[in-house]
Amino acid sequence: AQSVAQPEDQVNVAEGNPLTVKCTYSVSGNPYLFWYVQYPNRGLQFLLKYITGDNLVKGSYGFEAEFNKSQTSFHLKKPSALVSDSALYFCAVRDHNTNAGKSTFGDGTTLTVKP
Amino acid sequence: NAGVTQTPKFQVLKTGQSMTLQCAQDMNHEYMSWYRQDPGMGLRLIHYSVGAGITDQGEVPNGYNVSRSTTEDFPLRLLSAAPSQTSVYFCASSQQAVRNSPLHFGNGTRLTVT
Repeated sequence: AQSVAQPEDQVNVAEGNPLTVKCTYSVSGNPYLFWYVQYPNRGLQFLLKYITGDNLVKGSYGFEAEFNKSQTSFHLKKPSALVSDSALYFCAVRDHNTNAGKSTFGDGTTLTVKP
Repeated sequence: NAGVTQTPKFQVLKTGQSMTLQCAQDMNHEYMSWYRQDPGMGLRLIHYSVGAGITDQGEVPNGYNVSRSTTEDFPLRLLSAAPSQTSVYFCASSQQAVRNSPLHFGNGTRLTVT
């Protein structure tokens, strides 16, 4: 079985400050990990994915994610937040042995960046 | 490419009515799936398909039916709508052969059952 947890329902940061959105996961084998972003009244958009061997993965819009195998975490980060980054963020996990698209999603974290 | 297209965008049903949510993709993706999104519950997988003629149940399949007659289309049928099916429904697709291929989502159908 696979699962993912996003421990914070809401993250608030000031524009220009660094941001972190947390994600921890559980899979029986090696994980495929993804971050998606959802803007109001839209579908989810892919941000970035874990590449085996890379502990720091870079993605779209200046976002990056830090993979930590011992802590089973894949936290989303950005060095300097923008007001336009305000959205709902989802972490997703898939076991290497699971069907390619059969992902499990966290409950989502609402990021609010204040000017 | 249009990507993943869902219709309709909004729908209101009365309890007991049936309807079909349409989903089409033009990326030749083998894998297609339906999720529902409810506040505070993330996305839950309803049904999925790994290719034409092949479908399987996800986490919350009850009350829904799917078929996959072509690679492009993956409609979701509500057999007898219930208020508990009020939700936002997302269709998604990905490449089956590329194991870490991300999902591509449609813009959703917001369904209200009264």
